[in-house]
Amino acid sequence: GENVEQHPSTLSVQEGDSAVIKCTYSDSASNYFPWYKQELGKGPQLIIDIRSNVGEKKDQRIAVTLNKTAKHFSLHITETQPEDSAVYFCAASFTNAGKSTFGDGTTLTVKP
Amino acid sequence: NAGVTQTPKFQVLKTGQSMTLQCAQDMNHEYMSWYRQDPGMGLRLIHYSVGAGITDQGEVPNGYNVSRSTTEDFPLRLLSAAPSQTSVYFCASSPYGSTGELFFGEGSRLTVL
Repeated sequence: GENVEQHPSTLSVQEGDSAVIKCTYSDSASNYFPWYKQELGKGPQLIIDIRSNVGEKKDQRIAVTLNKTAKHFSLHITETQPEDSAVYFCAASFTNAGKSTFGDGTTLTVKP
Repeated sequence: NAGVTQTPKFQVLKTGQSMTLQCAQDMNHEYMSWYRQDPGMGLRLIHYSVGAGITDQGEVPNGYNVSRSTTEDFPLRLLSAAPSQTSVYFCASSPYGSTGELFFGEGSRLTVL
């Protein structure tokens, strides 16, 4: 089955700096790569996703890149703000699968 | 729009007791799934369903049972609780024909003594 590895497990940055979280996946057939943000005491919520036919996607301060050959994908957050502090999960799946395989999560702390 | 609703939010059980975690969604999503979240281990799939009457096992199904009699409800049953089942449980739903985005509930924190 699919295996997703996520690094780093914790990340601390100063407000205004950029943050990068990296993931690798094992199943070359996976074609959908979402990123979820989980705030304390809440369920994960999708913040951005990318399909395997796209190399990069951007939404305001967040962007995701995908390297299918290397089976790597990354989340980039620019101009970080304290409200970006949360746990971030990457995941891999097939389009329309209704389920995903998740990485272990990254706890991001943005210091004011 | 309530989305995905999980009950209870907190539960303490003794070893060997049984209980059911409830999950209901009002978005008419065909897919529903249960995950458990343990520190440093991300979200692991327990069971999932692609529609009423159809369920399948995920990565960590042992000790759990599910059924899907309606589109809206997907309860998770713990048959004989063990301390290893202490965790936070999340229910998620997803519409058929979508990219695969999961819509999560707020979670149920279970402690087994």
